[in-house]
Amino acid sequence: SQQGEEDPQALSIQEGENATMNCSYKTSINNLQWYRQNSGRGLVHLILIRSNEREKHSGRLRVTLDTSKKSSSLLITASRAADTASYFCATGGEAGNTPLVFGKGTRLSVIA
Amino acid sequence: GAVVSQHPSWVICKSGTSVKIECRSLDFQATTMFWYRQFPKQSLMLMATSNEGSKATYEQGVEKDKFLINHASLTLSTLTVTSAHPEDSSFYICSASGGSGTEAFFGQGTRLTVV
Repeated sequence: SQQGEEDPQALSIQEGENATMNCSYKTSINNLQWYRQNSGRGLVHLILIRSNEREKHSGRLRVTLDTSKKSSSLLITASRAADTASYFCATGGEAGNTPLVFGKGTRLSVIA
Repeated sequence: GAVVSQHPSWVICKSGTSVKIECRSLDFQATTMFWYRQFPKQSLMLMATSNEGSKATYEQGVEKDKFLINHASLTLSTLTVTSAHPEDSSFYICSASGGSGTEAFFGQGTRLTVV
């Protein structure tokens, strides 16, 4: 089953613009993670934000978490063509033997 | 970070044959590995949880006799797609729980095409 819903499902922007992707989830969480997937490739872990955190930064990435609204957002600033990929939020995996549950993902296209 | 190696990265097989996909944790021991399937332009869906030394736990709707999972050691889990059909064509990806917090480490994925 899928925990999260991302929106938009697809996003196309010009290089240099910011890209914002949103994720909503259904159950309570201990943390939420964002992953990136280039077309037909494996997943790259981007960032993990814990339930007691509201915002986290990593380079050009900014993630927010609102547990009251059960939502998170991923902001990519000053986007580059190389940022073109699918982005997924995921919840779960708190313990070593529990899987991640992924949202539907946002396909981001950054046009040079 | 920890490394999970998945092999092969792609495979084409004839309908009716079986295909084995390997998932190895290279620098840590993974008592649990997970197998996901991803159809084009869709998200990853959990197929099964593989526990070392015991039977895998399958998600609802996943045929355990068709997708055989073996987790014989702390560093290796295999997924065998038996009697593959074109509808089994998909991207299969494994992950293993590592030692650094709750980050899951993923293999590179296997693109299976059944013709």
